Amino acid sequence: GAGVSQSPRYKVTKRGQDVALRCDPISGHVSLYWYRQALGQGPEFLTYFNYEAQQDKSGLPNDRFSAERPEGSISTLTIQRTEQRDSAMYRCASSHHSPGTSGSAGELFFGEGSRLTVL
Amino acid sequence: GESVGLHLPTLSVQEGDNSIINCAYSNSASDYFIWYKQESGKGPQFIIDIRSNMDKRQGQRVTVLLNKTVKHLSLQIAATQPGDSAVYFCAETPRGGYNKLIFGAGTRLAVHP
Repeated sequence: GAGVSQSPRYKVTKRGQDVALRCDPISGHVSLYWYRQALGQGPEFLTYFNYEAQQDKSGLPNDRFSAERPEGSISTLTIQRTEQRDSAMYRCASSHHSPGTSGSAGELFFGEGSRLTVL
Repeated sequence: GESVGLHLPTLSVQEGDNSIINCAYSNSASDYFIWYKQESGKGPQFIIDIRSNMDKRQGQRVTVLLNKTVKHLSLQIAATQPGDSAVYFCAETPRGGYNKLIFGAGTRLAVHP
């Protein structure tokens, strides 16, 4: 597709359930990022992939959060045993560049996000 | 769509005026800075970037200024248009850490006709 696609756009779940959020990056983009954005705040880094390798997961809040990108394209962010504090907009972004390369390394292309509500 | 920036500082300008949005960054070791624009219900969109070895960079109708001495970044928008209404975020990356953008709190720009 033309842009980063995320699904589902909206997810309402009960506390304790597991959720999986999907990201389909722009075709050919090497780097893929997951961010979380609370209302009224800037996106908060969660994790980053270069191709299929998870290079940085320092932003994942705890071990209930995990992410994978097995074939270097589509990625899934999984939250196990969801809690109300997990409610947020989860945004995926992709970039043509690998970190440290020349050019606009900060030009991430964000998807429209998956809004998670945990009741 | 989702409303971004419910409690953010707001800059109100008249259409056609120039806008200046300011940002104070926290890490003196950051060496790459970016401005993003986020319209309601959409993801952030890249506007312009600047590296720490520069103090000014110009794009189309936008200019970013970097003052490393006081850790201050600004975005200037010339001839502001209604389509510029959005929340603007500055972001920084630590040296060598281009994979991790650290976003600031954001400023809402409201353009009035």
